[in-house]
Amino acid sequence: GAVVSQHPSRVICKSGTSVKIECRSLDFQATTMFWYRQFPKKSLMLMATSNEGSKATYEQGVEKDKFLINHASLTLSTLTVTSAHPEDSSFYICSAGQGNFEKLFFGSGTQLSVL
Amino acid sequence: ELKVEQNPLFLSMQEGKNYTIYCNYSTTSDRLYWYRQDPGKSLESLFVLLSNGAVKQEGRLMASLDTKARLSTLHITAAVHDLSATYFCAVDISGTYKYIFGTGTRLKVLA
Repeated sequence: GAVVSQHPSRVICKSGTSVKIECRSLDFQATTMFWYRQFPKKSLMLMATSNEGSKATYEQGVEKDKFLINHASLTLSTLTVTSAHPEDSSFYICSAGQGNFEKLFFGSGTQLSVL
Repeated sequence: ELKVEQNPLFLSMQEGKNYTIYCNYSTTSDRLYWYRQDPGKSLESLFVLLSNGAVKQEGRLMASLDTKARLSTLHITAAVHDLSATYFCAVDISGTYKYIFGTGTRLKVLA
Protein backbone atom coordinates (compact mmCIF):
# COMPACT_ATOMS: atom_id res chain seq x y z
CA GLY A 1 0.00 0.00 0.00
CA ALA A 2 0.91 3.64 -0.24
CA VAL A 3 3.25 5.13 2.35
CA VAL A 4 2.81 8.38 4.23
CA SER A 5 5.81 9.56 6.18
CA GLN A 6 5.46 11.97 9.09
CA HIS A 7 8.33 13.76 10.77
CA PRO A 8 9.33 14.21 13.52
CA SER A 9 7.83 11.35 15.46
CA ARG A 10 8.36 13.13 18.74
CA VAL A 11 9.15 16.72 19.64
CA ILE A 12 9.55 18.53 22.93
CA CYS A 13 9.60 22.30 22.90
CA LYS A 14 9.39 25.26 25.21
CA SER A 15 6.24 27.28 25.58
CA GLY A 16 6.09 30.14 23.07
CA THR A 17 8.13 28.46 20.35
CA SER A 18 6.83 27.22 17.02
CA VAL A 19 6.99 23.65 15.81
CA LYS A 20 6.72 22.35 12.26
CA ILE A 21 5.47 18.87 11.44
CA GLU A 22 5.91 17.41 7.96
CA CYS A 23 3.71 14.91 6.19
CA ARG A 24 4.97 13.37 2.96
CA SER A 25 3.40 10.93 0.55
CA LEU A 26 6.35 8.80 -0.55
CA ASP A 27 5.07 6.87 -3.53
CA PHE A 28 2.02 8.75 -4.73
CA GLN A 29 0.83 12.28 -5.29
CA ALA A 30 -1.58 13.39 -2.60
CA THR A 31 -4.14 15.85 -3.86
CA THR A 32 -5.66 16.08 -0.41
CA MET A 33 -4.20 15.74 3.04
CA PHE A 34 -5.91 15.85 6.41
CA TRP A 35 -4.61 16.72 9.85
CA TYR A 36 -5.94 15.18 13.04
CA ARG A 37 -5.11 15.61 16.69
CA GLN A 38 -5.60 13.07 19.42
CA PHE A 39 -5.54 13.62 23.17
CA PRO A 40 -4.51 10.73 25.43
CA LYS A 41 -7.04 7.94 25.46
CA LYS A 42 -9.36 9.93 23.21
CA SER A 43 -10.48 9.70 19.63
CA LEU A 44 -9.04 11.50 16.63
CA MET A 45 -10.44 14.92 15.86
CA LEU A 46 -10.22 16.33 12.36
CA MET A 47 -8.46 19.69 12.39
CA ALA A 48 -8.24 20.70 8.76
CA THR A 49 -8.30 19.65 5.14
CA SER A 50 -5.32 20.60 3.02
CA ASN A 51 -5.50 20.78 -0.77
CA GLU A 52 -2.40 21.27 -2.89
CA GLY A 53 -2.00 24.84 -4.00
CA SER A 54 -4.89 26.29 -2.06
CA LYS A 55 -5.68 27.43 1.45
CA ALA A 56 -6.52 24.83 4.05
CA THR A 57 -10.07 24.42 5.27
CA TYR A 58 -10.28 24.34 9.05
CA GLU A 59 -12.89 22.60 11.13
CA GLN A 60 -15.01 24.60 13.49
CA GLY A 61 -13.17 25.55 16.64
CA VAL A 62 -9.67 25.12 15.19
CA GLU A 63 -7.62 28.32 15.22
CA LYS A 64 -6.13 28.81 11.78
CA ASP A 65 -3.59 31.33 13.08
CA LYS A 66 -2.43 28.85 15.69
CA PHE A 67 -2.21 25.86 13.37
CA LEU A 68 -0.72 26.94 10.05
CA ILE A 69 -1.07 24.44 7.26
CA ASN A 70 0.80 24.58 3.99
CA HIS A 71 0.37 22.14 1.11
CA ALA A 72 2.90 23.47 -1.36
CA SER A 73 3.39 20.33 -3.41
CA LEU A 74 1.57 17.11 -4.21
CA THR A 75 3.81 15.18 -1.84
CA LEU A 76 4.22 17.49 1.14
CA SER A 77 1.96 19.16 3.67
CA THR A 78 3.20 20.88 6.80
CA LEU A 79 1.50 21.78 10.05
CA THR A 80 3.11 24.54 12.10
CA VAL A 81 1.98 24.98 15.67
CA THR A 82 2.74 28.63 16.39
CA SER A 83 3.53 29.99 19.83
CA ALA A 84 2.94 26.58 21.33
CA HIS A 85 1.52 26.25 24.82
CA PRO A 86 1.16 23.22 27.08
CA GLU A 87 -2.47 22.77 26.03
CA ASP A 88 -1.24 22.18 22.47
CA SER A 89 0.51 19.03 23.65
CA SER A 90 -1.08 16.21 21.74
CA PHE A 91 -0.58 13.46 19.19
CA TYR A 92 -0.89 14.85 15.65
CA ILE A 93 -1.58 12.53 12.73
CA CYS A 94 -1.77 13.33 9.04
CA SER A 95 -3.46 11.36 6.30
CA ALA A 96 -3.28 11.56 2.54
CA GLY A 97 -5.25 10.43 -0.46
CA GLN A 98 -4.95 10.42 -4.20
CA GLY A 99 -7.59 11.07 -6.80
CA ASN A 100 -10.56 8.74 -6.50
CA PHE A 101 -8.98 6.75 -3.72
CA GLU A 102 -10.68 3.99 -1.81
CA LYS A 103 -9.19 5.00 1.50
CA LEU A 104 -6.79 7.40 3.11
CA PHE A 105 -3.29 6.48 4.23
CA PHE A 106 -2.15 7.64 7.65
CA GLY A 107 1.21 8.89 8.80
CA SER A 108 3.01 7.53 11.82
CA GLY A 109 2.04 10.45 14.02
CA THR A 110 3.91 13.14 15.96
CA GLN A 111 3.83 13.38 19.71
CA LEU A 112 4.17 17.05 20.67
CA SER A 113 5.02 17.94 24.25
CA VAL A 114 5.12 21.62 25.17
CA LEU A 115 6.87 22.43 28.44
CA GLU B 1 -23.47 17.35 13.19
CA LEU B 2 -22.27 13.86 12.40
CA LYS B 3 -21.81 11.67 15.45
CA VAL B 4 -20.07 8.33 15.46
CA GLU B 5 -20.49 6.29 18.60
CA GLN B 6 -18.91 3.02 19.53
CA ASN B 7 -20.13 0.53 22.06
CA PRO B 8 -18.61 -0.56 24.33
CA LEU B 9 -15.93 2.00 25.16
CA PHE B 10 -13.98 -0.53 27.19
CA LEU B 11 -13.91 -4.27 26.81
CA SER B 12 -12.05 -6.78 28.87
CA MET B 13 -12.42 -10.35 27.73
CA GLN B 14 -10.88 -13.74 28.22
CA GLU B 15 -8.86 -15.42 25.53
CA GLY B 16 -10.95 -17.74 23.42
CA LYS B 17 -14.15 -15.75 23.81
CA ASN B 18 -16.19 -14.01 21.13
CA TYR B 19 -17.44 -10.45 21.21
CA THR B 20 -18.84 -7.73 18.97
CA ILE B 21 -18.03 -4.02 18.89
CA TYR B 22 -20.74 -1.75 17.51
CA CYS B 23 -20.35 1.47 15.57
CA ASN B 24 -23.40 3.69 15.11
CA TYR B 25 -23.38 6.87 13.05
CA SER B 26 -25.92 9.62 12.71
CA THR B 27 -25.99 10.53 9.03
CA THR B 28 -26.04 8.87 5.64
CA SER B 29 -22.78 7.30 4.58
CA ASP B 30 -21.81 4.17 2.69
CA ARG B 31 -18.10 4.29 3.39
CA LEU B 32 -16.88 3.04 6.72
CA TYR B 33 -13.46 2.05 7.94
CA TRP B 34 -12.07 0.14 10.89
CA TYR B 35 -8.66 0.83 12.40
CA ARG B 36 -6.53 -0.55 15.14
CA GLN B 37 -4.27 1.64 17.28
CA ASP B 38 -1.61 0.40 19.66
CA PRO B 39 -0.42 2.69 22.48
CA GLY B 40 1.76 5.51 21.18
CA LYS B 41 1.30 4.42 17.59
CA SER B 42 -0.63 5.60 14.59
CA LEU B 43 -3.50 3.79 12.90
CA GLU B 44 -3.41 0.40 11.24
CA SER B 45 -6.07 -0.11 8.60
CA LEU B 46 -8.18 -3.20 9.21
CA PHE B 47 -11.21 -3.03 6.94
CA VAL B 48 -12.70 -0.86 4.22
CA LEU B 49 -16.48 -1.20 3.83
CA LEU B 50 -17.87 0.60 0.81
CA SER B 51 -21.44 -0.61 0.38
CA ASN B 52 -24.51 -1.76 2.23
CA GLY B 53 -24.20 -5.38 3.28
CA ALA B 54 -20.43 -5.45 2.90
CA VAL B 55 -18.76 -8.10 5.01
CA LYS B 56 -15.02 -8.59 5.30
CA GLN B 57 -12.97 -11.01 7.34
CA GLU B 58 -9.32 -11.15 8.26
CA GLY B 59 -8.14 -13.74 10.73
CA ARG B 60 -10.17 -13.51 13.92
CA LEU B 61 -11.85 -10.25 12.94
CA MET B 62 -14.91 -9.76 10.79
CA ALA B 63 -16.55 -6.45 9.93
CA SER B 64 -19.94 -5.70 8.43
CA LEU B 65 -21.87 -2.65 7.33
CA ASP B 66 -25.60 -1.93 7.33
CA THR B 67 -26.05 1.51 5.83
CA LYS B 68 -29.80 1.52 6.34
CA ALA B 69 -29.41 0.99 10.06
CA ARG B 70 -26.29 3.22 10.06
CA LEU B 71 -24.48 0.46 11.91
CA SER B 72 -21.22 -1.39 11.52
CA THR B 73 -19.99 -4.26 13.62
CA LEU B 74 -16.55 -5.64 14.32
CA HIS B 75 -16.78 -9.23 15.50
CA ILE B 76 -13.95 -10.90 17.35
CA THR B 77 -13.76 -14.67 17.26
CA ALA B 78 -11.74 -16.67 19.79
CA ALA B 79 -9.84 -13.65 21.05
CA VAL B 80 -6.11 -13.82 21.67
CA HIS B 81 -3.91 -11.50 23.73
CA ASP B 82 -2.36 -9.95 20.61
CA LEU B 83 -5.70 -8.40 19.74
CA SER B 84 -5.44 -6.08 22.75
CA ALA B 85 -5.55 -2.54 21.32
CA THR B 86 -7.92 0.35 20.72
CA TYR B 87 -10.27 -0.06 17.79
CA PHE B 88 -11.79 2.86 15.92
CA CYS B 89 -14.43 3.02 13.26
CA ALA B 90 -14.46 6.03 10.95
CA VAL B 91 -17.18 7.33 8.66
CA ASP B 92 -16.55 9.22 5.46
CA ILE B 93 -18.79 12.28 5.19
CA SER B 94 -20.65 11.88 1.89
CA GLY B 95 -17.63 10.71 -0.02
CA THR B 96 -15.53 13.73 0.88
CA TYR B 97 -12.76 11.63 2.45
CA LYS B 98 -13.16 13.65 5.63
CA TYR B 99 -13.22 10.89 8.19
CA ILE B 100 -15.10 11.30 11.42
CA PHE B 101 -13.82 8.84 13.96
CA GLY B 102 -15.81 6.93 16.51
CA THR B 103 -15.21 7.20 20.21
CA GLY B 104 -12.95 4.14 20.19
CA THR B 105 -13.13 0.80 21.99
CA ARG B 106 -10.26 -0.16 24.24
CA LEU B 107 -9.96 -3.92 24.13
CA LYS B 108 -7.99 -5.93 26.63
CA VAL B 109 -7.73 -9.65 26.13
CA LEU B 110 -6.75 -11.49 29.26
CA ALA B 111 -4.58 -14.58 28.98
